[in-house]
Amino acid sequence: DGGITQSPKYLFRKEGQNVTLSCEQNLNHDAMYWYRQDPGQGLRLIYYSQIVNDFQKGDIAEGYSVSREKKESFPLTVTSAQKNPTAFYLCASKLGQSYFSGANVLTFGAGSRLTVL
Amino acid sequence: GQSLEQPSEVTAVEGAIVQINCTYQTSGFYGLSWYQQHDGGAPTFLSYNALDGLEETGRFSSFLSRSDSYGYLLLQELQMKDSASYFCAVRGFQKLVFGTGTRLLVSP
Repeated sequence: DGGITQSPKYLFRKEGQNVTLSCEQNLNHDAMYWYRQDPGQGLRLIYYSQIVNDFQKGDIAEGYSVSREKKESFPLTVTSAQKNPTAFYLCASKLGQSYFSGANVLTFGAGSRLTVL
Repeated sequence: GQSLEQPSEVTAVEGAIVQINCTYQTSGFYGLSWYQQHDGGAPTFLSYNALDGLEETGRFSSFLSRSDSYGYLLLQELQMKDSASYFCAVRGFQKLVFGTGTRLLVSP
């Protein structure tokens, strides 16, 4: 079955450490996204990529970095510069490279919960 | 900029009908979506409105009025499993922007 796999599901980090969250999809989707969700809040866009080797900053990109070397993979690194990294991180993908192509449906992974100790 | 407003919480009983409203302000508008998220889970797509009017999918319906920058999600014949958070999301010029979500609590 096609889908999005995020790992790890739970991650604990000490202050000052960088951590990388994995996101892999086998849906052959072109666009991939990273969202952050804090308790009782909506989803805020961190980074997105519409094509391999290209990505754009979202609304809260500071302290995060991404890469898109393969169509299937879009890892997110939470750096030590991110002042408040404890959150639930969601990766999503969408069919269609062009923003106006494909269905207006995001498919989400199960999420990674990061806690800074 | 873009902003969306939803009620933070709605309560209802099994079998009832509930409406979750969403008002938005965006620079560029290409449609309104609704997603459901159970606690600790991934959001899942429910519906999408690009044009004014009502879209029906089983027990769920979604409505859009572009002139009023307003939409709603209507859930009928509520079941306990419908207890979840519901997010509206506006498809703007470059990306999908989510509201803060409405927590729906369904009681017996």
